[in-house]
Amino acid sequence: SQTIHQWPATLVQPVGSPLSLECTVEGTSNPNLYWYRQAAGRGLQLLFYSVGIGQISSEVPQNLSASRPQDRQFILSSKKLLLSDSGFYLCAWSVPGEAFFGQGTRLTVV
Amino acid sequence: ELKVEQNPLFLSMQEGKNYTIYCNYSTTSDRLYWYRQDPGKSLESLFVLLSNGAVKQEGRLMASLDTKARLSTLHITAAVHDLSATYFCAVDILIIQGAQKLVFGQGTRLTINP
Repeated sequence: SQTIHQWPATLVQPVGSPLSLECTVEGTSNPNLYWYRQAAGRGLQLLFYSVGIGQISSEVPQNLSASRPQDRQFILSSKKLLLSDSGFYLCAWSVPGEAFFGQGTRLTVV
Repeated sequence: ELKVEQNPLFLSMQEGKNYTIYCNYSTTSDRLYWYRQDPGKSLESLFVLLSNGAVKQEGRLMASLDTKARLSTLHITAAVHDLSATYFCAVDILIIQGAQKLVFGQGTRLTINP
């Protein structure tokens, strides 16, 4: 069965510090991978998606970047965090008719 | 731009009562998802509706899809406290060939009181 591992679960970082969130997928090959962000009390917004190694597309302009160095690994990064980057970040993979989410990372920028 | 709108956004109800959450979307799609989210947790998949007229039921929850009306409903029967959570609908749309994305509604925060 397919599983998604996402870490860390929680993170508190000062403004201006770098960020690296990691997501790995098991049980599937060549998955479409996604990073979503959920602001407090809101729905989910798609940040990035990837259809293959090294292929990254951004949905919204922002202070974050994403990379896919391996088939089942998806990384969300920032060089300098802003207060507005706080939120709940979810990694996901999907195929038509199915979508699965990781456990999420709660990021608080202070 | 695709819009997905849920209503109500907040719902407080008593145990034993029935209620319906509505999800309207603004573009053609044949796939709609319902998720549950508990506070501080990730999304738990409840239903995937893949065609017009699809109806799925699990326990006290039943979801349906009308693609012509661009409407999905999540019906709660004889609510119990354990169903308190935030419920999201999401519409699946094609981004590029071979990839799709989910566009989410704002969520409905459901509180069930004893």
